[in-house]
Amino acid sequence: DTEVTQTPKHLVMGMTNKKSLKCEQHMGHRAMYWYKQKAKKPPELMFVYSYEKLSINESVPSRFSPECPNSSLLNLHLHALQPEDSALYLCASSQGADRVSYEQYFGPGTRLTVT
Amino acid sequence: QKEVEQDPGPLSVPEGAIVSLNCTYSNSAFQYFMWYRQYSRKGPELLMYTYSSGNKEDGRFTAQVDKSSKYISLFIRDSQPSDSATYLCAMVMRLEYSNYQLIWGAGTKLIIKP
Repeated sequence: DTEVTQTPKHLVMGMTNKKSLKCEQHMGHRAMYWYKQKAKKPPELMFVYSYEKLSINESVPSRFSPECPNSSLLNLHLHALQPEDSALYLCASSQGADRVSYEQYFGPGTRLTVT
Repeated sequence: QKEVEQDPGPLSVPEGAIVSLNCTYSNSAFQYFMWYRQYSRKGPELLMYTYSSGNKEDGRFTAQVDKSSKYISLFIRDSQPSDSATYLCAMVMRLEYSNYQLIWGAGTKLIIKP
């Protein structure tokens, strides 16, 4: 099973709202990622969790707050977003630090619109 | 100059044709070379990857790497309308502590005409 699931599929939120995106995988992967993808652009890495610890933060604004409650779950908390944050938010996972980590498996994404 | 160059297309070919998708790169530190397929409004799907120079085949797909020229290709034989998607190449660089980073190409939009 190489499935990464993400909820919700679509999200519309105002600039003053607080919302969360969820990602789940049951492949035993120990590294999980958040990416942002704008239309006709490749994914941009936001955060990497390795063994449930934040290992990479690509200078993402603080209005995006990641959380990894356990090895299967990854959340992205959103607060006070701007319209330019509208994008497809992708979650991915890979084996982890003690295995080859370049095989990243992506979820279907959450399409976020900020009004 | 970008680290990874990929023509965004669109590339339009008739059904049954052989498709060639390409990327060039500038960083010799890249170790793995990935191809992802992304359908509209979906997440990228890992198709295949290679490590060394040469060819790797998987069904109708062949990935080719030429490290001396810093050039990679993905060939699709007997193309089908269902192959219509955006194809993204990604180069893998090893960071410290066994973390790997993907450097993405822009993606090529492929259209297979019935």
